[in-house]
Amino acid sequence: DTGVSQDPRHKITKRGQNVTFRCDPISEHNRLYWYRQTLGQGPEFLTYFQNEAQLEKSRLLSDRFSAERPKGSFSTLEIQRTEQGDSAMYLCASSPKVRVGNEQFFGPGTRLTVL
Amino acid sequence: DAKTTQPNSMESNEEEPVHLPCNHSTISGTDYIHWYRQLPSQGPEYVIHGLTSNVNNRMASLAIAEDRKSSTLILHRATLRDAAVYYCILRVSYNQGGKLIFGQGTELSVKP
Repeated sequence: DTGVSQDPRHKITKRGQNVTFRCDPISEHNRLYWYRQTLGQGPEFLTYFQNEAQLEKSRLLSDRFSAERPKGSFSTLEIQRTEQGDSAMYLCASSPKVRVGNEQFFGPGTRLTVL
Repeated sequence: DAKTTQPNSMESNEEEPVHLPCNHSTISGTDYIHWYRQLPSQGPEYVIHGLTSNVNNRMASLAIAEDRKSSTLILHRATLRDAAVYYCILRVSYNQGGKLIFGQGTELSVKP
């Protein structure tokens, strides 16, 4: 399968702990996006990269959140000092070089539960 | 970003056509209309997009009103697998590479 993959699929952690999620985009997709989705809501944009450059960050991305894409391939999203409000599905998507339509391909998500 | 309005939920019978409406009265001339859907326990997936003319692909059809203030996603024969949340999203043409702004979407249920 050559789709977007995310790891882990599920993560349970205690409040105050740090967690890191990984996203592997479709090969040669130069744009990579992170979204967060809580129950019953549509996904909310967090940040996106073009190659290794982080081009936009949402105000939702507090100082406790950091995302990297060091070599323009996979990306990591780290949440420090997790809070119960961080419990959500974290979705990653990728897209090829910008063109009209620019479909985004989503991964299955990482479900985070903060106890 | 211009806003879209969709019904919270709709029901359909299997093998019947489904028309999912979307209102976007504040759409600008450079906004493309995109549709994504999200099956249970999966990430969203692209369905279709258009600017002014009606569009067809293997998944669905998109009918765009002449004044572009509304559009309709048409599933020609609903299957059980089409049960999902459908999102109507506007994207400015010069920001085709940027973020998607999702609303709450329409939850479609399909009855056998």
